[in-house]
Amino acid sequence: GAGVSQSPSNKVTEKGKDVELRCDPISGHTALYWYRQSLGQGLEFLIYFQGNSAPDKSGLPSDRFSAERTGGSVSTLTIQRTQQEDSAVYLCASSSGQGARWSTRDTQYFGPGTRLTVL
Amino acid sequence: DAKTTQPNSMESNEEEPVHLPCNHSTISGTDYIHWYRQLPSQGPEYVIHGLTSNVNNRMASLAIAEDRKSSTLILHRATLRDAAVYYCILSKKQGGSEKLVFGKGTKLTVNP
Repeated sequence: GAGVSQSPSNKVTEKGKDVELRCDPISGHTALYWYRQSLGQGLEFLIYFQGNSAPDKSGLPSDRFSAERTGGSVSTLTIQRTQQEDSAVYLCASSSGQGARWSTRDTQYFGPGTRLTVL
Repeated sequence: DAKTTQPNSMESNEEEPVHLPCNHSTISGTDYIHWYRQLPSQGPEYVIHGLTSNVNNRMASLAIAEDRKSSTLILHRATLRDAAVYYCILSKKQGGSEKLVFGKGTKLTVNP
């Protein structure tokens, strides 16, 4: 079946412009995550959506970052007034686990990422 | 979240076993141990996870110390396609899917 898809694959923008990054999770997955990975670094958690619950926004680095998930499926990450330090690969992941114990259903499936370059 | 410590890099030869260590001395009783790997220019992919007992799957084996303060990911026969950054992650299960806190991982180089 189709995996997690993200668009665009690459985005180059000028400092101060707004950008929108899109994530299409695996169909039926209730959980969706956004991470970002700066050059040579590990992944940094940004935000997490689970079903109809309020999202966990604890990883968003500033109020310039926001995300929404419409209809429990597609998600959009928006960065306003982009800065050069926002340059990174933005990764989206989804999973289906909802139980009390970790199982393979909790596996996070990652998309290929969007490489954002802010000039 | 409890932290993990991994070597920055390791090398192996093709078709030989690889043992990737991870220390997690502050692990709590409810922390699961997860391993993901990230191939060049790709998003991470799940490898294996466990709680207390050793685990095997088609990709790898996970050996967990009796005191759970360390674990080892075992690739039984390394191939060139196993060259990747391997992340050891601890996470609790709290009634729903949970965020993963990635460190810098171990960069595995496989020599032909």
